Amino acid sequence: AQKITQTQPGMFVQEKEAVTLDCTYDTSDPSYGLFWYKQPSSGEMIFLIYQGSYDQQNATEGRYSLNFQKARKSANLVISASQLGDSAMYFCAMREEGDNFNKFYFGSGTKLNVKP
Amino acid sequence: ETGVTQTPRHLVMGMTNKKSLKCEQHLGHNAMYWYKQSAKKPLELMFVYNFKEQTENNSVPSRFSPECPNSSHLFLHLHTLQPEDSALYLCASRTGESDTGELFFGEGSRLTVL
Repeated sequence: AQKITQTQPGMFVQEKEAVTLDCTYDTSDPSYGLFWYKQPSSGEMIFLIYQGSYDQQNATEGRYSLNFQKARKSANLVISASQLGDSAMYFCAMREEGDNFNKFYFGSGTKLNVKP
Repeated sequence: ETGVTQTPRHLVMGMTNKKSLKCEQHLGHNAMYWYKQSAKKPLELMFVYNFKEQTENNSVPSRFSPECPNSSHLFLHLHTLQPEDSALYLCASRTGESDTGELFFGEGSRLTVL
């Protein structure tokens, strides 16, 4: 079974508007971490934001916020005030912490296009 | 210069060749990872090394063999590959000593198998 599901292969957003990228996850571990990465066309994976499974508050990093709904097992990324440079692939990931190897699982990504 | 360096950036090889991908991290991390990225698919975890101890993904074909001689270097040895192995191979590292413990990625090695 897929551990991370991103149901939006592609999204468009107007510059300066907010956009939400969806992510759901599946785990039976009580302790885990959730991450979002950005991958521009150049290929490098850039870490954006982290949410721990025990964190009570939603994580925020500048224009990025993570809408964490634990009961629903969802970890949506919200980008406020979109910029042209936000156009990229976005990947949701989960780290299970049940063993020493801390495996990270990724979704298939969402391609975001920001329109001027 | 990134903290995680991968070489070569591009590699074209025939199905009978033997080649290796190299990854080096300058961050003092203690865990290193190989991922395979194919178009429109989730990143596929291939191998993890933690303090030089390896966990293997049983679905990875034996034509891929990892080597981690020390905590800073990671190799992926390739032999008798198939065209479907063409992909972007990403190396990553992490430390368990940060609050977030995110992966730091290299820029990837783009492999084409003819």
